[in-house]
Amino acid sequence: SQKIEQNSEALNIQEGKTATLTCNYTNYSPAYLQWYRQDPGRGPVFLLLIRENEKEKRKERLKVTFDTTLKQSLFHITASQPADSATYLCALRDNYGQNFVFGPGTRLSVLP
Amino acid sequence: GAGVSQSPSNKVTEKGKDVELRCDPISGHTALYWYRQRLGQGLEFLIYFQGNSAPDKSGLPSDRFSAERTGESVSTLTIQRTQQEDSAVYLCASSPGAARRVRDTQYFGPGTRLTVL
Repeated sequence: SQKIEQNSEALNIQEGKTATLTCNYTNYSPAYLQWYRQDPGRGPVFLLLIRENEKEKRKERLKVTFDTTLKQSLFHITASQPADSATYLCALRDNYGQNFVFGPGTRLSVLP
Repeated sequence: GAGVSQSPSNKVTEKGKDVELRCDPISGHTALYWYRQRLGQGLEFLIYFQGNSAPDKSGLPSDRFSAERTGESVSTLTIQRTQQEDSAVYLCASSPGAARRVRDTQYFGPGTRLTVL
């Protein structure tokens, strides 16, 4: 069956450290994968998109990798700050699909 | 310009009543999505509209759920005979659509929190 999983429900890290979040998928062949941030009581906000032919994408303190062999994407936040605390969601759309599938999210807490 | 807006922001209703939720997408966005998010859980796809194509209704959980969209503008999600398990946040998102398919970023509204008593 098809599924998309994120490594943990919650992740606590110390301010200044690098946070690494994992997204794994099964039985999809995505053309690209997206990462979103969701704060409590609000809708998700798009952060980054990485295509199947890209190994890595960066935006300021964010870095995303995409390994289509492992069927995995890693999302890194370097020099993390308490303001980075939120739930992070990965999402993909199959090459042949119409709708998006979201992972369950990882709730990140950056402790001062 | 304005982002995606949804109304009402909160809706409390009694079991068995019908509710209608509204989404105003970003102007010019041809694609529109509805999702449901139960407390502490991920997003559950409900329905997808793309331009004038037939909507993808594959995520609607039952025939009590329906949605309409007028052209490329407002969409309404209707839940008939609401049940307590319908309690959730209903999120709407729009995106530029098929013309830029590979870069199909979704812009989400703030959601409507539905509580069925």
